[in-house]
Amino acid sequence: EIVLTQSPGTLSLSPGERATLSCRASQTVRSNYVAWYQQRPGQAPRLLIYGASSRATGSPERFSGSGSGADFTLTISRLEPEDFAVYYCLQYGNVPVTFGQGTRLEI
Amino acid sequence: QVQLQESGPGLVKPSETLSLTCTVSGGSVSSFYGTWIRQAPGKGLEFIGYNYNNVRTSYNPALQGRITVSLDTSKNQFSLKLTSVTAADTAVYYCARALDSNAFDIWGQGTLVTVSS
Repeated sequence: EIVLTQSPGTLSLSPGERATLSCRASQTVRSNYVAWYQQRPGQAPRLLIYGASSRATGSPERFSGSGSGADFTLTISRLEPEDFAVYYCLQYGNVPVTFGQGTRLEI
Repeated sequence: QVQLQESGPGLVKPSETLSLTCTVSGGSVSSFYGTWIRQAPGKGLEFIGYNYNNVRTSYNPALQGRITVSLDTSKNQFSLKLTSVTAADTAVYYCARALDSNAFDIWGQGTLVTVSS
């Protein structure tokens, strides 16, 4: 199975700054089928990005995804207070699907 | 608008079987991958398994042999059975939807299941 490694484990930034989160796969992800989720405390994960770079319905424009092959990135252009949460990447191109271990974005 | 709602016991004894149901509203359970995902307290997300219209299933190899995900189209539900549970199976269990070749886009609110005697 594909192992996803997210870095950094914790990212400390301030509102207004730019955040860059990494997700590296142990092998090539078929069709760049990588998604990004945001999870706030006590809530279910929320889909932000799918297909490596397509924004999900309702996902703000400050969220963007990039990458291909085995190296993917989530960028938040200007952090808003509500963006401080945990972010997970998911690969769904290979069976079984697998999640990264998460990046905590803190103020 | 498709919505998902988990239901089932919040407490299960060790060695027994955990059974959860996900009720689908606003759409047909036959049209998507009915998926279960869990999250142990303070931990990350773990894929458990999915069933697509009873013709395709995929399970987490680490849990293989203990999991069954099945559909009940007459009730528009899908369910999870996890046998021989231990304290390590204590988690919030989420049901989720994925369309073909797509990520999990709709999630239930999650239900906490504690394994304890």
